[in-house]
Amino acid sequence: QKEVEQDPGPLSVPEGAIVSLNCTYSNSAFQYFMWYRQYSRKGPELLMYTYSSGNKEDGRFTAQVDKSSKYISLFIRDSQPSDSATYLCAMSAGTYKYIFGTGTRLKVLA
Amino acid sequence: DAGVIQSPRHEVTEMGQEVTLRCKPISGHDYLFWYRQTMMRGLELLIYFNNNVPIDDSGMPEDRFSAKMPNASFSTLKIQPSEPRDSAVYFCASSLGIQGTSYEQYFGPGTRLTVT
Repeated sequence: QKEVEQDPGPLSVPEGAIVSLNCTYSNSAFQYFMWYRQYSRKGPELLMYTYSSGNKEDGRFTAQVDKSSKYISLFIRDSQPSDSATYLCAMSAGTYKYIFGTGTRLKVLA
Repeated sequence: DAGVIQSPRHEVTEMGQEVTLRCKPISGHDYLFWYRQTMMRGLELLIYFNNNVPIDDSGMPEDRFSAKMPNASFSTLKIQPSEPRDSAVYFCASSLGIQGTSYEQYFGPGTRLTVT
């Protein structure tokens, strides 16, 4: 079993929809949780960063961490075609060694 | 700042040949990371450096892979000899390394390697 599991998708939604992206993990030592966005043929870029449990909001994006369930989520409100990309979750136990999920491909249809 | 710079952007080589990938991190960043991305395995950390010193190379798949960082502004990842299963996108990333504030890693555009 992988340390971090992520549904590869693809996930297709209409413009304006609320998108929910999720990852589960098995290592209870993870404390830092990140979401990266990767456009086709580009490098990943950091979207959201959360330490420990709780919620964090940034514009249309909300990240949630539930350490008791070992489950993290990224919500995108009012999704736009420009949000079409692959979303990668990443986790760390407090070092610079990130463990990434395999990514979920999202397509927002105009 | 120009961001993380990688070269070449694309590399096609024959099995058995030596391949060298290059990376210039963001100026002032003292952590440098090499990753490999494939459809099957996703993004995997190969090795990372702090202040030019290798800290963790446990992700390097085998002895055919080696990485160096001779100075703060340059790193190489070498594969010798290359094999078809090494075909992947290789990313370099760098980080400012401020403990407890952010672990943000800034990724380069990647090198797409094809070994035939």
